[in-house]
Amino acid sequence: DSGVTQTPKHLITATGQRVTLRCSPRSGDLSVYWYQQSLDQGLQFLIQYYNGEERAKGNILERFSAQQFPDLHSELNLSSLELGDSALYFCASSPGGFSSYNEQFFGPGTRLTVL
Amino acid sequence: AQSVAQPEDQVNVAEGNPLTVKCTYSVSGNPYLFWYVQYPNRGLQFLLKYITGDNLVKGSYGFEAEFNKSQTSFHLKKPSALVSDSALYFCAVRDGPNSGNTPLVFGKGTRLSVIA
Repeated sequence: DSGVTQTPKHLITATGQRVTLRCSPRSGDLSVYWYQQSLDQGLQFLIQYYNGEERAKGNILERFSAQQFPDLHSELNLSSLELGDSALYFCASSPGGFSSYNEQFFGPGTRLTVL
Repeated sequence: AQSVAQPEDQVNVAEGNPLTVKCTYSVSGNPYLFWYVQYPNRGLQFLLKYITGDNLVKGSYGFEAEFNKSQTSFHLKKPSALVSDSALYFCAVRDGPNSGNTPLVFGKGTRLSVIA
C-alpha cells in the first residue's frame, strides 16, 4: 500500500458527460501528479500541483482540469467525455516537486470507461 | 527534450535464470533515473533510482540497475527470476539538477513473464 488513495476505483459513463476523480496523497507529501495510462499511449503525464499551485502541465486536454485543495487532496475533472478518454487515471504524490529527486508514490488508479 | 526507450515490449525468462530489462535514455544534462513495476490492476510501485554516485543501484525485491553514462542506459537486472516477478516494468527519466520543474518521462513499459 503506497498511502495514496484514489476514488472511485471504477467509473462507467456516457459520451458527453463530466466526471470527477479524487486523490488523497500520502501524509506529508505536497506534490500531486495526475497520469493517464492507455494501451496505445502508455503512461502520459497530465498535470502536477505543489501545495495548492499548478506547477507543471503535460499532455492535458482543455476539456480536463484539476485542482489541489488546502488539505492537499486533488481532483481531476474530465468533461465532454469521448470514447478515447477511456483509460486508467493514476494519481501520484511525492514530498517535493519534479525539481527534486524524490520518487513518486502511485495510487491504485481509477478505471474510466466511456460508452 | 528528454526521452526514454524500452526496446523490448516483452521479455520471457525461466524461473531461476537471470533477467535483464533494458532502458536507454536521452537528456540534456545529468539524468535522474527510476524503475517502477506495475502488477495487474495495481498502481506503479517504485523499485529503485539513480541520482548520483555508485553506478550500481540496489532496490526492492532483489532488483538492481546499472547506470552506464557512455551508453546512456539504465538496465534493470535480477540474478534469479521468480514467477512472482511477472509484471509490467517502466523506466523513467528526467533531467537532473538545475533543470527546473521538468516532468518525469516514462517508457512504454516492458512486460516480463517468468516461466516456471
